[in-house]
Amino acid sequence: EVQLVESGGGLVKPGGSLRLSCAASGFTFSSYSMNWVRQAPGKGLEWVSSISSSSSYIYYADSVKGRFTISRDNAKNSLYLQMNSLRAEDTAVYYCARDSDYGDYGIFDVWGKGTTVTVSS
Amino acid sequence: EIVLTQSPATLSLSPGERATLSCGASQSVSSSYLAWYQQKPGLAPRLLIYDASSRATGIPDRFSGSGSGTDFTLTISRLEPEDFAVYYCQQYGSSPWTFGQGTKVEIK
Repeated sequence: EVQLVESGGGLVKPGGSLRLSCAASGFTFSSYSMNWVRQAPGKGLEWVSSISSSSSYIYYADSVKGRFTISRDNAKNSLYLQMNSLRAEDTAVYYCARDSDYGDYGIFDVWGKGTTVTVSS
Repeated sequence: EIVLTQSPATLSLSPGERATLSCGASQSVSSSYLAWYQQKPGLAPRLLIYDASSRATGIPDRFSGSGSGTDFTLTISRLEPEDFAVYYCQQYGSSPWTFGQGTKVEIK
């Protein structure tokens, strides 16, 4: 079964740091670009960051650029998001999502259940 | 950045009825690189449609997508009880990938 499982969320104070992880199984992780997408409470979806299969290409939303770092370890079938200088507006459910193999980048065909990050003093 | 505007915000319909959801883009979406997702409360989004009109694997044929340029539509031909949810459009034609604010399809 194709599966993504996020972990690492929690409560952190403004200015603090957190590292999210996403464990992949059921597919050849090293062949797919991966993404983080977040959803603030009661709000819509926001793309956060993408990383290509070999980590050659990395992209960030302007809202997190310079504060968040995406990375992956293909040997461990894992995706990461290092989040620094956290702000209240970073409070959200963070989803790990796989880029599909439908031929275009940016189509998210497999999603994890999400991990909740709360930034509050 | 391409801004996607979905309408209506809420659609109140009965099971068996037809649902028509709209997604308008602030500028043309290249190559019709537009997707639709369904999200139920407490769950992750599920991919329904990509490339504006192609159904993802396992998606029933009552879901269809159409449109190009700046105007896109998701149609659910006959609503089933499990179709009541929030629907998001998303463009992946230019970075950053962006989502619409969502349309909630609720039971009338």
